[in-house]
Amino acid sequence: ETGVTQSPTHLIKTRGQQVTLRCSSQSGHNTVSWYQQALGQGPQFIFQYYREEENGRGNFPPRFSGLQFPNYSSELNVNALELDDSALYLCASSLGQGEREQYFGPGTRLTVT
Amino acid sequence: GIQVEQSPPDLILQEGANSTLRCNFSDSVNNLQWFHQNPWGQLINLFYIPSGTKQNGRLSATTVATERYSLLYISSSQTTDSGVYFCAVVSGGGADGLTFGKGTHLIIQP
Repeated sequence: ETGVTQSPTHLIKTRGQQVTLRCSSQSGHNTVSWYQQALGQGPQFIFQYYREEENGRGNFPPRFSGLQFPNYSSELNVNALELDDSALYLCASSLGQGEREQYFGPGTRLTVT
Repeated sequence: GIQVEQSPPDLILQEGANSTLRCNFSDSVNNLQWFHQNPWGQLINLFYIPSGTKQNGRLSATTVATERYSLLYISSSQTTDSGVYFCAVVSGGGADGLTFGKGTHLIIQP
């Protein structure tokens, strides 16, 4: 059974640029959720994708967007990067929505300069 | 939205000691998970426990849903248990993500 994978591991971008992060869900899982973890804080929910549709969103602006593909892998896109976007971005997959157990990938560490 | 409070925020113990970490939440939940975050940032699943009691080796957890709290017990601590322990919950509809507490930073000294 393949676990959740994310790419890239690390990324450095300049303020104002755009970035795309990628996530492959655990085998058999159809739901992907994205989280942002700032240094010293707990992860915060960005949004969730189920059957290729965004069906839940946390308190993040529209410049955070995503996609889910037919194989259930997912992308997180962030436009107009700000310094405060520097964080660890975590992807989690589950078989079904919210109440189901979520399994996390190793994360992508984004630094915005 | 739901509030999640974890205590204590920091805990320093000697190897071999036992510890209890607490998670209080402000509303009914249909998902509660405990995680251990290692120094590289990976969140490792410890328990999925919206109610009841579970045990896995030296770790066990209890959630009393009616009183809105969960406890994580670590017995005979080892230095590899060091790290941050998070409690996370889902309250409400199926499209809600996990709401995390601020974590308990555990340091096990040899």
